Amino acid sequence: AQSVTQPDIHITVSEGASLELRCNYSYGATPYLFWYVQSPGQGLQLLLKYFSGDTLVQGIKGFEAEFKRSQSSFNLRKPSVHWSDAAEYFCAVVPNAGNNRKLIWGLGTSLAVNP
Amino acid sequence: DADVTQTPRNRITKTGKRIMLECSQTKGHDRMYWYRQDPGLGLRLIYYSFDVKDINKGEISDGYSVSRQAQAKFSLSLESAIPNQTALYFCATSDSTGFSYEQYFGPGTRLTVT
Repeated sequence: AQSVTQPDIHITVSEGASLELRCNYSYGATPYLFWYVQSPGQGLQLLLKYFSGDTLVQGIKGFEAEFKRSQSSFNLRKPSVHWSDAAEYFCAVVPNAGNNRKLIWGLGTSLAVNP
Repeated sequence: DADVTQTPRNRITKTGKRIMLECSQTKGHDRMYWYRQDPGLGLRLIYYSFDVKDINKGEISDGYSVSRQAQAKFSLSLESAIPNQTALYFCATSDSTGFSYEQYFGPGTRLTVT
């Protein structure tokens, strides 16, 4: 079945450490790819997106993500995490055909940041 | 001012009551969505509307209904609320023109059914 997988439910990192959040998808053609962040008590905010072209995309708040076609992955990274990055992170895809271009969501990864 | 607003932000209601959640947007987008979020279950699509006359069920529409009163307004109703509808509800919008596909979210409504 077509799906979006975020293998890590919870991740804890120390402030200043690097971060990588994983996202894998199971669609034949390269979908459109997104990362959203949900800070406590708030709605979801788009961090970055990939449609085509350069496979390393830059987003807001110092985040970047790399699309790897061979691994069907779109992992989110940040070189140095800040305490304010503690939040829920969601990967989402829009399949390249059908589905009326609706977002298909992963279940999210909860990030905790230790001081 | 926020582009996507939801009212109320918090609501406590009793089992069997009818409740309406409202969403308004100033983004000029044609597509609107209602999601619910439960811990560990991510976001699940309840209903979506591609324009005023086009309303579609999502993956969990049972127990819910919607109304698209105008391009900018999309309401979600629980005809007879039950405790397992306690959740965080989000409205979102997107623009069908171009190839952006990303959705823009409201701040959410936290609903508790007792």
